[in-house]
Amino acid sequence: NAGVTQTPKFQVLKTGQSMTLQCAQDMNHEYMSWYRQDPGMGLRLIHYSVGAGITDQGEVPNGYNVSRSTTEDFPLRLLSAAPSQTSVYFCATRGLATQYFGPGTRLTVL
Amino acid sequence: ELKVEQNPLFLSMQEGKNYTIYCNYSTTSDRLYWYRQDPGKSLESLFVLLSNGAVKQEGRLMASLDTKARLSTLHITAAVHDLSATYFCAVEENQGGKLIFGQGTELSVKP
Repeated sequence: NAGVTQTPKFQVLKTGQSMTLQCAQDMNHEYMSWYRQDPGMGLRLIHYSVGAGITDQGEVPNGYNVSRSTTEDFPLRLLSAAPSQTSVYFCATRGLATQYFGPGTRLTVL
Repeated sequence: ELKVEQNPLFLSMQEGKNYTIYCNYSTTSDRLYWYRQDPGKSLESLFVLLSNGAVKQEGRLMASLDTKARLSTLHITAAVHDLSATYFCAVEENQGGKLIFGQGTELSVKP
């Protein structure tokens, strides 16, 4: 039982490049979400999904796309990376007891 | 719009002392979470508070919730160095799962 996994752990991009951050969970949770964490600002919600085929925007969705084709996976796509997207990205799932966070992806955009 | 505010943002404590972190939020909610984050690590769930008057304790940490005042507290008893970390409160919107986080409280416990 791996819980919530994220890949890659670290990534460096150049401005304008695209990439996909992967998130997978093996807890069969319907609700999944993506947050970004910037110094001094806590975590902010980017996108979330209440189940396969259903996604919605959070607080800071611009520049990011998501899709949810299976219960297990919830990838986050950066369409054209910008330096302002340098951050640590966390994926989370909601269970009955609490919300579980993945280990995070540290992204730097040059 | 739901807003969550923590204070203090920085807290330097001596070992053995007691202190409280406060978390205020602006609209009603059914769930409030407390998380711990060590530098470079993910968030570790400490407590989930579900109802007015809820109190939960784990070791030297105790969390409480007053939904009428829209206030949660995280009380630290007889602090030890291992408690040094950043603590976040987060409020869940309308049972939908969306979390709104406070800014975090960076706690440093010194001998």
